[in-house]
Amino acid sequence: GAGVSQTPSNKVTEKGKYVELRCDPISGHTALYWYRQSLGQGPEFLIYFQGTGAADDSGLPNDRFFAVRPEGSVSTLKIQRTERGDSAVYLCASSFSGSPTGELFFGEGSRLTVL
Amino acid sequence: QKEVEQNSGPLSVPEGAIASLNCTYSDRGSQSFFWYRQYSGKSPELIMFIYSNGDKEDGRFTAQLNKASQYVSLLIRDSQPSDSATYLCAVNEPLRRGKLIFGQGTELSVKP
Repeated sequence: GAGVSQTPSNKVTEKGKYVELRCDPISGHTALYWYRQSLGQGPEFLIYFQGTGAADDSGLPNDRFFAVRPEGSVSTLKIQRTERGDSAVYLCASSFSGSPTGELFFGEGSRLTVL
Repeated sequence: QKEVEQNSGPLSVPEGAIASLNCTYSDRGSQSFFWYRQYSGKSPELIMFIYSNGDKEDGRFTAQLNKASQYVSLLIRDSQPSDSATYLCAVNEPLRRGKLIFGQGTELSVKP
């Protein structure tokens, strides 16, 4: 596809379960970002990849959150022992350049609901 | 705590009027400033960016930056109902390449 693709679009899980969210960036984009957006708030930075490596993971809230991008394209955000406070829309974005001056292209997000 | 502040609104303007959206930021080291538009239930899309003090115009949109006052604004001329959305101000965090700090967004409603 032409845009950033995220799956699943919706995920409902129970407290304590493990969740994986997938992002397929725009072809050729080397930079990939994960943000989290709660209702009525702006997106909150989680992690930024340049190629295969996590260039900045300072936004991951705790060690239950982990993200990988093993081949420099698709990325997976992994959340262990989910909590109700993890409920949010998880947005993935990609860009040509890792510079903050680059335009971020966002996917439609994965809405996570933890019951 | 680095912050970006916006009035949450809603801001209501009549069709054809000028909508003015404001944003302040706390870190004087920030150099890049962005306005994203987010329709309800959709993802953010970039509409303007500005790096230098002054005004930058693109069609009906004008971004204004005043680094001394740590203030960014977005003006939308000839507002249309299709402009009704939440507008997010975003600022780069210095020394953290790739990280944007977003404000909470201002909801704009343009009434026909």
